[in-house]
Amino acid sequence: NAGVMQNPRHLVRRRGQEARLRCSPMKGHSHVYWYRQLPEEGLKFMVYLQKENIIDESGMPKERFSAEFPKEGPSILRIQQVVRGDSAAYFCASSLDYSYEQYFGPGTRLTVT
Amino acid sequence: AQTVTQSQPEMSVQEAETVTLSCTYDTSENNYYLFWYKQPPSRQMILVIRQEAYKQQNATENRFSVNFQKAAKSFSLKISDSQLGDTAMYFCAFMKHGAGSYQLTFGKGTKLSVIP
Repeated sequence: NAGVMQNPRHLVRRRGQEARLRCSPMKGHSHVYWYRQLPEEGLKFMVYLQKENIIDESGMPKERFSAEFPKEGPSILRIQQVVRGDSAAYFCASSLDYSYEQYFGPGTRLTVT
Repeated sequence: AQTVTQSQPEMSVQEAETVTLSCTYDTSENNYYLFWYKQPPSRQMILVIRQEAYKQQNATENRFSVNFQKAAKSFSLKISDSQLGDTAMYFCAFMKHGAGSYQLTFGKGTKLSVIP
């Protein structure tokens, strides 16, 4: 039973480029969460999605960031026109319906040069 | 808004000894969950233990146990018989019960080193 998959594991982008981070939840999980971890910090909630719906995006920056979880395929976190301050580890977690147990992926480390 | 505070940025313990990591939180909620996650050098987040606020009994998972003091809003993690593989960052986290969102609020973490 595969766990939460994230790809790529490492992503390097130049300032102004777009970054696309993918997350495939555990089999049977329909809830996805994205968190960001800055260096020397804990994880910060960004967005919570169910299939085709954004449930809570209270942690998402207002500009340049978007997320989706289509009916088919992985969840995508998209960062447009990246800046150096976007450099961080981005973690995805998934859960069963309305469960408090979240299972985390290995993270994507984004470096903006 | 909820906040989680871990006041020990770094700790060390001798192998086979016991160590306690501190966590306090601030909330006006009555129903919630508390968690300890471990992040080893691989950076994978691993759930160590969880506690439901409505349960008075402290949770235990093998060598890991918690001391949950609801009135004091304290949730410490005790690791007994420490092993080298316990070396990691440990994060305390809070989740409101219900309310339609299940976001976790994390503390800044405690870096634990187990010394041979």
